[in-house]
Amino acid sequence: GENVEQHPSTLSVQEGDSAVIKCTYSDSASNYFPWYKQELGKGPQLIIDIRSNVGEKKDQRIAVTLNKTAKHFSLHITETQPEDSAVYFCAASRGGYQKVTFGTGTKLQVIP
Amino acid sequence: GAVVSQHPSRVICKSGTSVKIECRSLDFQATTMFWYRQFPKQSLMLMATSNEGSKATYEQGVEKDKFLINHASLTLSTLTVTSAHPEDSSFYICSASWTSGDTDTQYFGPGTRLTVL
Repeated sequence: GENVEQHPSTLSVQEGDSAVIKCTYSDSASNYFPWYKQELGKGPQLIIDIRSNVGEKKDQRIAVTLNKTAKHFSLHITETQPEDSAVYFCAASRGGYQKVTFGTGTKLQVIP
Repeated sequence: GAVVSQHPSRVICKSGTSVKIECRSLDFQATTMFWYRQFPKQSLMLMATSNEGSKATYEQGVEKDKFLINHASLTLSTLTVTSAHPEDSSFYICSASWTSGDTDTQYFGPGTRLTVL
């Protein structure tokens, strides 16, 4: 089955700096890669996703890149703000009702 | 759009009792719903995939007789933890995918905190 590794497990940045979280996956058939933000005691919230026919996608301060050959994808958050502090999960799926495999999570702390 | 609700948000029960958790897609129809369990400071682990009108598909190691799943309509799936024990205490989260259109994306509910005394 799919295996998703995520690094780092914790990340502290100063407000205004950028944060980068990296993930690798093992199943070459995976073609859908969502990123979720989870605040304490809440369910995960989809923040951005990318499909395998695209190499990069951007939404305001958030961007995701995908390298299918190397089987890795990354989340980039620019101009970080304290409200960005949360746990971020990457995930991979074959899409279309197939199960989503989650990474181990990154706890991001943005220091004011 | 794509709102998923769960009820209850938290429940405390005695060991040996059964607890039912509801997952509803509020503004879309969901042929497929998923149930996850999350222990403190850990990732989400898929327990089962729930399909409307058919039996759920359980992940390896998940006891189907202990975690009963019913997906009776396109907007409602329920998870019943039977004969709950303290080790079943966890954060249970459901997700749902659209029936048509973008079937890749899973939208998550807010989770249910189960504490078994």
